[in-house]
Formats: sequence, structure tokens, C-alpha cells
Amino acid sequence: GAVVSQHPSWVICKSGTSVKIECRSLDFQATTMFWYRQFPKQSLMLMATSNEGSKATYEQGVEKDKFLINHASLTLSTLTVTSAHPEDSSFYICSARVSLAGKETQYFGPGTRLLVL
Amino acid sequence: AQTVTQSQPEMSVQEAETVTLSCTYDTSENNYYLFWYKQPPSRQMILVIRQEAYKQQNATENRFSVNFQKAAKSFSLKISDSQLGDTAMYFCAFLAGGTSYGKLTFGQGTILTVHP
Repeated sequence: GAVVSQHPSWVICKSGTSVKIECRSLDFQATTMFWYRQFPKQSLMLMATSNEGSKATYEQGVEKDKFLINHASLTLSTLTVTSAHPEDSSFYICSARVSLAGKETQYFGPGTRLLVL
Repeated sequence: AQTVTQSQPEMSVQEAETVTLSCTYDTSENNYYLFWYKQPPSRQMILVIRQEAYKQQNATENRFSVNFQKAAKSFSLKISDSQLGDTAMYFCAFLAGGTSYGKLTFGQGTILTVHP
């Protein structure tokens, strides 16, 4: 299957600082990537859809000025958590949409654990 | 809007036995895909199996198979010869074809524990 990487895998930061998380498709081009947030033992919550070369589409309730998404190339999307606070501590996962010969699939990155002190 | 329901928060099975995880969904779409993803303790989401709605034949991947009942909107996952490495949280997911823009709708998840 297709490989998606995320960096960093772990990040600890102080309250008020910004954190950037990178999501890369390693062996394919992804025009669409997705960002999720997940709390322990819960399902994935979609935050936004990242489209290469255009503005991200945010889900209802997600602050676009706090969670900045940039999809500048066909293999890279970034999520920046601005002015992070302890309540932003969570597990963030990205995925990439793959559509080949009419077959749709999503492949996921390994996730990033964010702890805001 | 689509909904996906997994009614079993937790399941357990003995090693080498068979277990079935349930999933039901609701949609008015006719063209869609269904998936089972596995999330082990590492939290890496792994695609287990996928099913196109237009295919009547149930998908199979080694020890994993599905029972897709389109009219009943049911999509259960059967794991045969369970192994310790199957211990994970399993998510059923729905993807509408066409104008969904690739968005997945996930169920609540089922935590599966395989006991030695």
C-alpha cells in the first residue's frame, strides 16, 4: 500500500507557542489530504480537508485561524497549531486520498502526539 | 449525511478462534465504499479490507473477510484464526463516491483483545 509519513511523531511545547506538523506522501502524489484529531479510545474526528494549491476546508467547529493548513505541493501538507494551549494536547493524524482506476482509498500517517504544557 | 455504527465497544477472543465485528451504516448513496481499519497500540491506522458497494462478492484478505449485506446496510468483519497481533481498535468506515471529496465517516470503534 501507499506510505504516508508524519513528522514529528512526538512534540512537547509550552503554552502560547506554535507547532508545525508535516504530512508527506512518500511514493505517490496526493492532491487531497485530511487532518484528524483523536482522543484516547475514541474515533477519529475530521478537522479539515487539505487540497493542493487551494485553501483548506474546515469542519464545523474547527478554528481555521488556530489550525493553519498548507498544502503547497502534491506530496506535503502541514498543520500548524498556533498559540497552542493545554486543551490542544491530542493525537493528530493525517491521511492521503488515493484514487486509482476508480478505486478510492485513504492511507494514514503514523500520527503525532502533541503535549502542550 | 452518512452514519456508521459499531455497537460493540469491546470484544475479546481466544487465540486461534474466530471473531466477528459488527458494523451498520445509513446512507442514501448508491455508489460508495466501505473499509475496515485497524489501529494497534502504536496508533498507526492500517487498512485491513475494502469493499466496493457495486460488488456483490464479499472481500477477503487472508484471515480477514467481510459479510456485506447491502440491503440491510451491514458490513461485518470476520477474523479467522485470531492472532495476538490482531489486538487493536477496529474502525468501520464509509466513503461516498462522487461528490464526497474523499471524506471518510468512521464508526465509534471496537476494541478487540486477543487472549493467549
